[in-house]
Amino acid sequence: KNEVEQSPQNLTAQEGEFITINCSYSVGISALHWLQQHPGGGIVSLFMLSSGKKKHGRLIATINIQEKHSSLHITASHPRDSAVYICAVGAYSGAGSYQLTFGKGTKLSVIP
Amino acid sequence: NAGVTQTPKFQVLKTGQSMTLQCAQDMNHNSMYWYRQDPGMGLRLIYYSASEGTTDKGEVPNGYNVSRLNKREFSLRLESAAPSQTSVYFCASRHPPGLPRIGATDTQYFGPGTRLTVL
Repeated sequence: KNEVEQSPQNLTAQEGEFITINCSYSVGISALHWLQQHPGGGIVSLFMLSSGKKKHGRLIATINIQEKHSSLHITASHPRDSAVYICAVGAYSGAGSYQLTFGKGTKLSVIP
Repeated sequence: NAGVTQTPKFQVLKTGQSMTLQCAQDMNHNSMYWYRQDPGMGLRLIYYSASEGTTDKGEVPNGYNVSRLNKREFSLRLESAAPSQTSVYFCASRHPPGLPRIGATDTQYFGPGTRLTVL
């Protein structure tokens, strides 16, 4: 079973700061996912990546397959970025279905 | 498109009662999943369905049953609810790999969740 560790567990930042959330995993994967869970509870997928780097607006995700590590960066953070950010790793089971193993999440609070 | 819908949004049960959580998606996805989310823990897979007519156990299946009624619908049943099943339940579906994605990013789409309390 893949172990997914995120750090930090909690993060408070001032508006405008550059934010980094880290994720490490123990076993090889097909892809790594970053998800955002809003204070109201809804979960939205941000990125899926299997190599290199992806960018979407102020969000950047990177992955180092050799080191089994990924980072999520938020540039010019804003209070609306306040949410729980969840890292998940995806792999195919023996039966051929794709399954995710989730980290516990990083709670981000951005203060105006 | 409504995406992934779940009903109900909230439910309170007494120990021993039964109920079914409903999930539907209108994106023509093959794979559907049920997860539970508990404080201090990551989302955990209860059951999944790789395609219509198939279901398989995930990490925490005890106390639950599922039905993949058709391609759109995947329900989760608690036959005899226990306080340990107090949780937030999420249904999700997955876009087939290799096909154009809707939007900029990923393949996993989540429902809004059902907050279940078992007294």
